[in-house]
Amino acid sequence: DGGITQSPKYLFRKEGQNVTLSCEQNLNHDAMYWYRQDPGQGLRLIYYSQIVNDFQKGDIAEGYSVSREKKESFPLTVTSAQKNPTAFYLCASSILAGPSYNEQFFGPGTRLTVL
Amino acid sequence: AQSVTQLDSQVPVFEEAPVELRCNYSSSVSVYLFWYVQYPNQGLQLLLKYLSGSTLVKGINGFEAEFNKSQTSFHLRKPSVHISDTAEYFCAVSRRGSEKLVFGKGTKLTVNP
Repeated sequence: DGGITQSPKYLFRKEGQNVTLSCEQNLNHDAMYWYRQDPGQGLRLIYYSQIVNDFQKGDIAEGYSVSREKKESFPLTVTSAQKNPTAFYLCASSILAGPSYNEQFFGPGTRLTVL
Repeated sequence: AQSVTQLDSQVPVFEEAPVELRCNYSSSVSVYLFWYVQYPNQGLQLLLKYLSGSTLVKGINGFEAEFNKSQTSFHLRKPSVHISDTAEYFCAVSRRGSEKLVFGKGTKLTVNP
C-alpha cells in the first residue's frame, strides 16, 4: 500500500540534544512538508520541499533543519536552538499536477517530548 | 496573507443530531478549500475539498460542505452524527497556484450518546 511513514511514533530526548525525525513516502509525490501541531494551535508549517535538493522555510523554521536528498525522504532535525521542541510533528506530501493538486496526504505523526 | 478562522473550538452534540462546523477564510484571490479530520494521536485524513465547479461538495463519512464566495465561508455539515465522528476537524485554504496550505486552529467535535 502506498503511504507516508514516520518514525518513531514517540520520541524522548534530553534538553540540548539534536534529534532527527524520519519521513518516507512511496506515493511518488513531488512535494513534502513538515508541520508542528500544538494543542489549540492548528498546524504550523516548518519547512517544505518541491524538488530534490531544494527546500523553503515555512512560518516557524527557526531551530529546525531539513534535507531532501531523495524524492521519497524528507527528514527533519530539531536542533538545540529550538526553544520549545515538545510537540506533535506531522509530515505530509502532495503531487504538484493533476486533479489531486494541493491535496496533502499526512503521515501518522511523531510525538516528541523533551525532558 | 491568507488566514482561516474556525469559529468554534469545541462543539458537543448528541448522537444522531445534525452538526455544522464553521470555517471562514480571508483571501483576495481564488482559493482551494479543504476539510481534514484527525483522530487522537493520528495524522490528518482528507474529508473533502473544493477546487472549482459546484459549490456543494460531498465527502467521505456522510459529510458535505458548501463554498460561499460572497461570505468567504466553507462550513462543514453532517445531517446525523455518530459516536465515531468524535474527532478534531481542520479547515484549510490554499491560494491557486500555491503548494502551501494554511490551516485553521481546529474544532473538536464530541458526539455524546
